[in-house]
Amino acid sequence: GQNIDQPTEMTATEGAIVQINCTYQTSGFNGLFWYQQHAGEAPTFLSYNVLDGLEEKGRFSSFLSRSKGYSYLLLKELQMKDSASYLCAVRDGNYQLIWGAGTKLIIKP
Amino acid sequence: DGGITQSPKYLFRKEGQNVTLSCEQNLNHDAMYWYRQDPGQGLRLIYYSQIVNDFQKGDIAEGYSVSREKKESFPLTVTSAQKNPTAFYLCASSIGDRGEDTFGSGTRLTVV
Repeated sequence: GQNIDQPTEMTATEGAIVQINCTYQTSGFNGLFWYQQHAGEAPTFLSYNVLDGLEEKGRFSSFLSRSKGYSYLLLKELQMKDSASYLCAVRDGNYQLIWGAGTKLIIKP
Repeated sequence: DGGITQSPKYLFRKEGQNVTLSCEQNLNHDAMYWYRQDPGQGLRLIYYSQIVNDFQKGDIAEGYSVSREKKESFPLTVTSAQKNPTAFYLCASSIGDRGEDTFGSGTRLTVV
């Protein structure tokens, strides 16, 4: 079966750096997405990786290793507004999106 | 501004009733999707449509129905056959099956 694993919850301090990991096992691979979702709201798109390496976008970066079935989202200079769930999703060989359960990130002052 | 509009934001349903959730987009996207989100679980695909007048079942289609008569609209009906309908429902669209999904604000359905 297809599977995406993320930690359920993480805690970090305002101003610090946090890395959220995602491992996946899918039938084929056509890209990996990271989304941010605040409680009770819709997910918003953060990043997309289809080739190995690091994609940087402001305070957020995302890394992909296809051979290891592994990605991480790196958040720098954490702000209180970064408290949210972070969802990892993989587009499989049939171009269907498979979603992880999300990682709830708690930022403390 | 382009976007996806879902309505209503909150919906209460009595057992045995059918309810319809609205989803409208003005992004000119071909593909539209319905997801269900339950606490502690990933998004699960209910139905999707790649083109007008065509739609496909997702992983958890039982107890749901959809239509795609217009490119802009993709309503979801939760029927009385859905045994556990209380959940957060999200509609999304994308340019095709390769772009990222853009989401509506969601409808929270509660059975009373």
